[in-house]
Amino acid sequence: EIVLTQSPGTLSLSPGERATLSCRASQSVTSSYLAWYQQKLGQAPRLLIYGASSRATGIPDRFSGSGSGTDFTLTISRLEPEDFAVYYCQQYGTSPPSFGGGTKVEIK
Amino acid sequence: EVQLVESGGNLVQPGGSLRLSCAASGFTFSTYAMSWVRQAPGKGLEWVSTIGGSGGSKYNADSVKGRFTISRDNSKNTLYLQMNSLRAEDTAVYYCAKGIWSTSSSYFDFWGQGTLVTVSS
Repeated sequence: EIVLTQSPGTLSLSPGERATLSCRASQSVTSSYLAWYQQKLGQAPRLLIYGASSRATGIPDRFSGSGSGTDFTLTISRLEPEDFAVYYCQQYGTSPPSFGGGTKVEIK
Repeated sequence: EVQLVESGGNLVQPGGSLRLSCAASGFTFSTYAMSWVRQAPGKGLEWVSTIGGSGGSKYNADSVKGRFTISRDNSKNTLYLQMNSLRAEDTAVYYCAKGIWSTSSSYFDFWGQGTLVTVSS
């Protein structure tokens, strides 16, 4: 099973700042099959990024994904008030699919 | 519009059973693999089980093998999770999630709102 480690655990930033979230895999992720999700308190996760860098339908372009192999990054270029949430990465290239432990982006 | 609506969550005693349902609409249900993903209180996401679009392929996490069974009724556009021999560590919100491939697990482009399963005496 591929273990995904997300860092930092918590990111304290102000609106308008840039957020950089990391997701590191214990082994190479096949075909960059990595997704990112946003989850707000009490809500279901929402797909942001798939294939490491493709934005899902309706996702603003301030969200971008990059990386390959074992190291992936989600960048939020300028934080909006609605972006403060928990973010999870998920690999789906190797069975079983697995999620990272999450990064909480909180208001500083 | 894609909609996934889970039901069946409840308080159950350790060793008990429960069946979750997920009613799907807004897409051709039989074309896509469907999954269950759970989230224990205050914790992260954990993949539980996936079933292919035709129902012929099924995959389970080691943590639920032999206890949980995923199934689907394509005539009713409904996904199920039969949970037996429940343990305290199965306590979680269970989400139904739609995949983007037909036969195996993938990323999940739509999620239901979840149903809470609490295992406690």
